[in-house]
Amino acid sequence: DIQMTQSPSSLSASVGDRVTITCRASQSISSYLNWFQQEPGKAPRLLIYAASSLKSGVPSRFSGSGNGTDFTLTISSLQPEDFATYYCQQSYSTPITFGQGTRLEIK
Amino acid sequence: EVQVVESGGGLVQPGGSLRLSCAASQFPVSNNYMTWVRQAPGKGLEWVSLIYSGGTTYYADSVKGRFTISRDNSKNTLYLQMNSLRAEDTAVYYCARSDCRGNSCYVFDYWGQGTLVTVSS
Repeated sequence: DIQMTQSPSSLSASVGDRVTITCRASQSISSYLNWFQQEPGKAPRLLIYAASSLKSGVPSRFSGSGNGTDFTLTISSLQPEDFATYYCQQSYSTPITFGQGTRLEIK
Repeated sequence: EVQVVESGGGLVQPGGSLRLSCAASQFPVSNNYMTWVRQAPGKGLEWVSLIYSGGTTYYADSVKGRFTISRDNSKNTLYLQMNSLRAEDTAVYYCARSDCRGNSCYVFDYWGQGTLVTVSS
C-alpha cells in the first residue's frame, strides 16, 4: 500500500499569511495527487486534483505543486474561512490512501 | 446541481448488519465510478470501497469479506452492505463520485453530508 505522510500535523497562522503544507508518498505516484479541505462537521471538499489543477470554483489563492513523491499545497493569503483541516490523497492505485491531515488553526 | 445524499446509518450491535444508501442527482451512477470513505470520530479519512462503471469492485483490507458495494441503476442509488460489524467500524460514512479528471479516475469530486454508523452494545 502507498503511505501518505503530511507535515506538519498542525499549523497556527494568521489571516493574510502564506502557508504551505507538504505531502510525501512512500513511492512515486507521478502527479496522481489530490487535496481536500474539511471544515468541522462538514464533508471534505475537493480543492486540487492531479497535483496542480484547481477545481472550478475554488479560489485562486490555493495552489498545488509536485510530482513523484513530494507535493505541496500553498495558500497564498489566508482568509478566515480557510482555517480547517487539509488532506492529501493518492489517486494512483487501490487501496486509495489519504494523508493523516493537517489542522490549520488561527494564531 | 450534482448531489449525493447518504442514509441508513444508526446504532447497531457488534456482529450486526446495516445497509447504507447513497442517492445521486443530476448524474447516472451507472456511468460513473462511485466510492465510500469513512471517518472515525476525531480521526482522518479512510477509503472503504469503490465500484467502477463496469461493475468491478475494490475494498480496503479492513472491510474485505464483510462489506459489499453495489448499485441500483433504476434508482440511481449506491449501496454499502455492512455485515459482521465491529466497534472499529464506528464512523461517519461518506459517499462520493469518483470522477475521471486529468490522469486519474479516483478524483472524489462530489461528497454527501455523511451518515453516522455506531457499533456498540
